[in-house]
Amino acid sequence: EPEVTQTPSHQVTQMGQEVILRCVPISNHLYFYWYRQILGQKVEFLVSFYNNEISEKSEIFDDQFSVERPDGSNFTLKIRSTKLEDSAMYFCASGGSGTDSYEQYFGPGTRLTVT
Amino acid sequence: DQQVKQNSPSLSVQEGRISILNCDYTNSMFDYFLWYKKYPAEGPTFLISISSIKDKNEDGRFTVFLNKSAKHLSLHIVPSQPGDSAVYFCAVVTQSWGKLQFGAGTQVVVTP
Repeated sequence: EPEVTQTPSHQVTQMGQEVILRCVPISNHLYFYWYRQILGQKVEFLVSFYNNEISEKSEIFDDQFSVERPDGSNFTLKIRSTKLEDSAMYFCASGGSGTDSYEQYFGPGTRLTVT
Repeated sequence: DQQVKQNSPSLSVQEGRISILNCDYTNSMFDYFLWYKKYPAEGPTFLISISSIKDKNEDGRFTVFLNKSAKHLSLHIVPSQPGDSAVYFCAVVTQSWGKLQFGAGTQVVVTP
């Protein structure tokens, strides 16, 4: 069964460094998302991406964040200058294969630790 | 942002019995709802969904009920199995292919 994959599974970085989190969505999906979950908190939306542009972003998704779909299969989240409070699990999700249902399918996540 | 609430942080149930998880939402414009299951250190796994044109949807041991007038949905798992021990999230679709808003989750523990 097709699944969303994410790399790396765990990323440790120093405050102020740039990180790129990578995702390969399900191949026939059209909509792509990033969410994050800070330890002990809710899963929260960051950004959605459709037709090669951002369709919606949350207030968390400030100028330090960017997304890209560089080659038609990968979907990346870049954090330009990481802060301690960026430490979280980051989940990529995809959906939309032409059906009327709105299920989003999530990857296993990348645990980002900022020290 | 409290548009989706799961008021029970945890639920303990015996193997073979029914698990009932509850979720309330505040915006009557929401019309598509999903349940996800999450194990530690894994991503949320889609379980079952329901659209507002229905009041019930079944898939094997999982049934979701929607009460639009009460802005309430519930997930029934019967019979509960040890492998069902996980955190369960309800989520609402805020607009077609828009962001999901998640509840805080309910930790289910199924005991032998």
